[in-house]
Amino acid sequence: AQSVAQPEDQVNVAEGNPLTVKCTYSVSGNPYLFWYVQYPNRGLQFLLKYITGDNLVKGSYGFEAEFNKSQTSFHLKKPSALVSDSALYFCAVSPRGFQKLVFGTGTRLLVSP
Amino acid sequence: DTAVSQTPKYLVTQMGNDKSIKCEQNLGHDTMYWYKQDSKKFLKIMFSYNNKELIINETVPNRFSPKSPDKAHLNLHINSLELGDSAVYFCASSQGPFGGISGANVLTFGAGSRLTVL
Repeated sequence: AQSVAQPEDQVNVAEGNPLTVKCTYSVSGNPYLFWYVQYPNRGLQFLLKYITGDNLVKGSYGFEAEFNKSQTSFHLKKPSALVSDSALYFCAVSPRGFQKLVFGTGTRLLVSP
Repeated sequence: DTAVSQTPKYLVTQMGNDKSIKCEQNLGHDTMYWYKQDSKKFLKIMFSYNNKELIINETVPNRFSPKSPDKAHLNLHINSLELGDSAVYFCASSQGPFGGISGANVLTFGAGSRLTVL
């Protein structure tokens, strides 16, 4: 079965420090990988995606994600966190050739001043 | 100009009632979706339409009936509401369906409709 795991319910980081939000997946083949962010009382917004090529993908608001095929991971990173980055982050996977997008359970990021 | 708009934003109703949520997108996308987000923030696909044709129908009670009068609109009607239906329902759209030629489609979400069943 296709699945996405976000092992941390919450990540706490101080403003200015680097942040990592983890995501691992269990999907056969080479899936498409996504990160979305949800601010309070809002819908999800697209941050970045991996299709093919360079393992490091750059996205909106200074975020980037690293695709690691051997570890089946797609961790979200940012070199210097902002308080305004505090939100709920969702990893999602779409197996190639399947009409499906599977979301992880979400990780709450809390950036303290 | 809102890309994906849903109405109403809040809906409070009694058990057993019937209610509808409407969704419209002005992005020219071919594919639309309904997602349900529960109180733990888990996000689950319910339905997807591509050019007015149903392409994804997850295990959802048949009290839920989607309708797509045209590719810019996808409405959700819920009959005989139950307490467990309380959630935030998100409409979304994408240029094409997953698994299609382009494959890695990006979803644009509406702001959500919070349904509370008393």
